[in-house]
Amino acid sequence: EDKVVQSPLSLVVHEGDTVTLNCSYEVTNFRSLLWYKQEKKAPTFLFMLTSSGIEKKSGRLSSILDKKELSSILNITATQTGDSAIYLCAVGLIQGAQKLVFGQGTRLTINP
Amino acid sequence: GAGVSQSPSNKVTEKGKDVELRCDPISGHTALYWYRQRLGQGLEFLIYFQGNSAPDKSGLPSDRFSAERTGESVSTLTIQRTQQEDSAVYLCASRPSGGTDTQYFGPGTRLTVL
Repeated sequence: EDKVVQSPLSLVVHEGDTVTLNCSYEVTNFRSLLWYKQEKKAPTFLFMLTSSGIEKKSGRLSSILDKKELSSILNITATQTGDSAIYLCAVGLIQGAQKLVFGQGTRLTINP
Repeated sequence: GAGVSQSPSNKVTEKGKDVELRCDPISGHTALYWYRQRLGQGLEFLIYFQGNSAPDKSGLPSDRFSAERTGESVSTLTIQRTQQEDSAVYLCASRPSGGTDTQYFGPGTRLTVL
């Protein structure tokens, strides 16, 4: 069975700290790994990674994929209270439906 | 441009009633997905539509759940004889044709079954 596991499940830090969120996967027919941010209900797209070792960056957020270790990390530097959210990792599969298999999410809380 | 929209945003119903949830995908997006998210959990795939092809219903949890889509437009998810365990946020996502895996999500419908 295809599985995506995120850690930690919950993280509380102070504003200005740097955080690293982890995602590991065990799937057949890996195609891509995606990160989403979910603040209220709608997950919003952050990154899609397909190649190992190439960092994607957007402002204070960055992510990298390690296909050998079957994992990815999402880094957030100089955190702000607006970064508080659930961060979802999903793996895209090579198959007809191009389904995404989601992890359970990491709830990140940034305290002022 | 307009994103994915869903209605209603919240729905409270009594156990045993039927409910219908609606999703309007981004114009031109050929693929449409429904997911369920229980409290504190990740997203659980329910059903996938791609153009006029037969839908992938492999994620529907029981025969009380069904969904329809007309062409490449609106989709409705129907839950018959609702149970308390159906309480969740139901999210719809759409994706353009081509190779991207990126799905764009609507704001969801929070369903509460009393």
